[in-house]
Amino acid sequence: QKEVEQNSGPLSVPEGAIASLNCTYSDRVSQSFFWYRQYSGKSPELIMSIYSNGDKEDGRFTAQLNKASQYVSLLIRDSQPSDSATYLCAVNSGTGGFKTIFGAGTRLFVKA
Amino acid sequence: DVKVTQSSRYLVKRTGEKVFLECVQDMDHENMFWYRQDPGLGLRLIYFSYDVKMKEKGDIPEGYSVSREKKERFSLILESASTNQTSMYLCASSLERVAPLHFGNGTRLTVT
Repeated sequence: QKEVEQNSGPLSVPEGAIASLNCTYSDRVSQSFFWYRQYSGKSPELIMSIYSNGDKEDGRFTAQLNKASQYVSLLIRDSQPSDSATYLCAVNSGTGGFKTIFGAGTRLFVKA
Repeated sequence: DVKVTQSSRYLVKRTGEKVFLECVQDMDHENMFWYRQDPGLGLRLIYFSYDVKMKEKGDIPEGYSVSREKKERFSLILESASTNQTSMYLCASSLERVAPLHFGNGTRLTVT
């Protein structure tokens, strides 16, 4: 079992729709959870971090964390073509020296 | 804003060469990391460091070594480059062990 799993996609949504990206993780003692966006040929950039159960909103982005289900998600409201990118879920585990482990990423296409 | 600088954007090396990838951060971060990114595999952690002269193995350390003689600089060394080390290499730093990562622009290494 992979430590951090994401659906590779691609996920295609029309402009203005809500994009929903999901991620599960295996280490129950994980403490920190992140979503990064990566455009083609660029390095990952942080868009959201979440540390406790529940929802965290920042502009058009909402991160949701459910530690009991070992599940974290990212909602992008009013999706724009500029949101087209690969979204990486990352989990910082409390074991193994506080490593940040990444999922393989979900490719999102927003159609104009 | 945090700046993580990787010395080369593109590198082409021959099999068997010793290769040095350099990374410098300007925010006095304690923690530095080296990942490689390959299509379909996502980001995989090679080595990380919590302090000067300290290093920890990540998930795929074989064929690599690191050096951290100064807090701001973390070097990745390929002792004898092989074609399966052709990849995008990403350096990152973080303020705290559970904090988000700040990435450099990446070095695309091709070993022929």
